[in-house]
Amino acid sequence: GAGVSQSPRYKVAKRGQDVALRCDPISGHVSLFWYQQALGQGPEFLTYFQNEAQLDKSGLPSDRFFAERPEGSVSTLKIQRTQQEDSAVYLCASSLFEGKSGANVLTFGAGSRLTVL
Amino acid sequence: AQSVAQPEDQVNVAEGNPLTVKCTYSVSGNPYLFWYVQYPNRGLQFLLKYITGDNLVKGSYGFEAEFNKSQTSFHLKKPSALVSDSALYFCAVIPGWSNSGYALNFGKGTSLLVTP
Repeated sequence: GAGVSQSPRYKVAKRGQDVALRCDPISGHVSLFWYQQALGQGPEFLTYFQNEAQLDKSGLPSDRFFAERPEGSVSTLKIQRTQQEDSAVYLCASSLFEGKSGANVLTFGAGSRLTVL
Repeated sequence: AQSVAQPEDQVNVAEGNPLTVKCTYSVSGNPYLFWYVQYPNRGLQFLLKYITGDNLVKGSYGFEAEFNKSQTSFHLKKPSALVSDSALYFCAVIPGWSNSGYALNFGKGTSLLVTP
């Protein structure tokens, strides 16, 4: 497609459930980022993939969070045993260039809003 | 540590008036600076960036921003605001050196309201 697609757009989970959030980046984009945006805050970095390699996962808040991009295209962010503090919008972004290129303009998806009850 | 600050939660401007949305940064070296805009229920959209060169950067929808190294600022400006400019604006920075990670560090955002 023309943009970054995320699904589901909305997810309500009971505390303790596992959730999986999917990101379809723009075809051919090398870089893929996941961000977490809490209500009223700016996006916070979670993790970065260059093709299928996860080069930076320093922003993942706990070992309950796991991300993968096995074939270098679609990515999944998985949250195990969800907690209320995990409630946020999870944003996926992709870019044609790798990592720290100065031309690295990100195209964001609309996000997946997770609510944990 | 917060590396980019947006001191205003909200900016109100009358349509047709100039607007400024403020951003300051606190990283060493030569930063890469960005502005993104977020409309309701939509993803963040790129407006403009500063990497190097001319301190005045022109971007989408008539927006521009000026990089001021001495004041460590990168304020977003537009000469004449439109009602359709009402949205949430985010300043973001990447430290310019190679070993500083891949994260784009965002400010908390400034809500711009342009009234008719």
